[in-house]
Amino acid sequence: AQSVSQHNHHVILSEAASLELGCNYSYGGTVNLFWYVQYPGQHLQLLLKYFSGDPLVKGIKGFEAEFIKSKFSFNLRKPSVQWSDTAEYFCAVSPRGSSNTGKLIFGQGTTLQVKP
Amino acid sequence: KAGVTQTPRYLIKTRGQQVTLSCSPISGHRSVSWYQQTPGQGLQFLFEYFSETQRNKGNFPGRFSGRQFSNSRSEMNVSTLELGDSALYLCASSPRGQGANTEAFFGQGTRLTVV
Repeated sequence: AQSVSQHNHHVILSEAASLELGCNYSYGGTVNLFWYVQYPGQHLQLLLKYFSGDPLVKGIKGFEAEFIKSKFSFNLRKPSVQWSDTAEYFCAVSPRGSSNTGKLIFGQGTTLQVKP
Repeated sequence: KAGVTQTPRYLIKTRGQQVTLSCSPISGHRSVSWYQQTPGQGLQFLFEYFSETQRNKGNFPGRFSGRQFSNSRSEMNVSTLELGDSALYLCASSPRGQGANTEAFFGQGTRLTVV
């Protein structure tokens, strides 16, 4: 079955600390990969995406992610977090192919709390 | 450019009733997907419509249905509501739908509470 696993459910960091959130997926075919963020009271917003090419992708607000195909992973990183990064982060996978059209498979989400 | 608009934002319904939720996609987007978000199950895919046709469906009972109109607006219907249907229902639109190299843009959601 297709699934996405996020390693951490709740992460607490101090400002300026580095962040890495793990994401692994289960699917044998080609996928598009995404990280979405949900700030308190706001809608899901795209942080970054990977379709093809350079496996290291950069997104908004200083976030980046690396796709490692052999490990089926797409980990999110940020060198120095800010209090405003407090939010819930979702890894999502979109399997390619007509039978998977329009479908995003989400991980369970990671709640990040940044202490000032 | 206006974002994805979902109405209503909040709903309270009684068990056994039915409910209809509405979603207006970003102008020019032809694909609309629906998701259910709950604390226990997270975000789960319900179905996707493109040009008025359902192209994909998740693992939800037949009580959950939807449709898309010629202007790409979509509605989702849940019949015979159960307490477990209480959730945040999210709509997402994209130009061509996932599978192609596009991203989904999400609305604020409709918070449904079944009592």
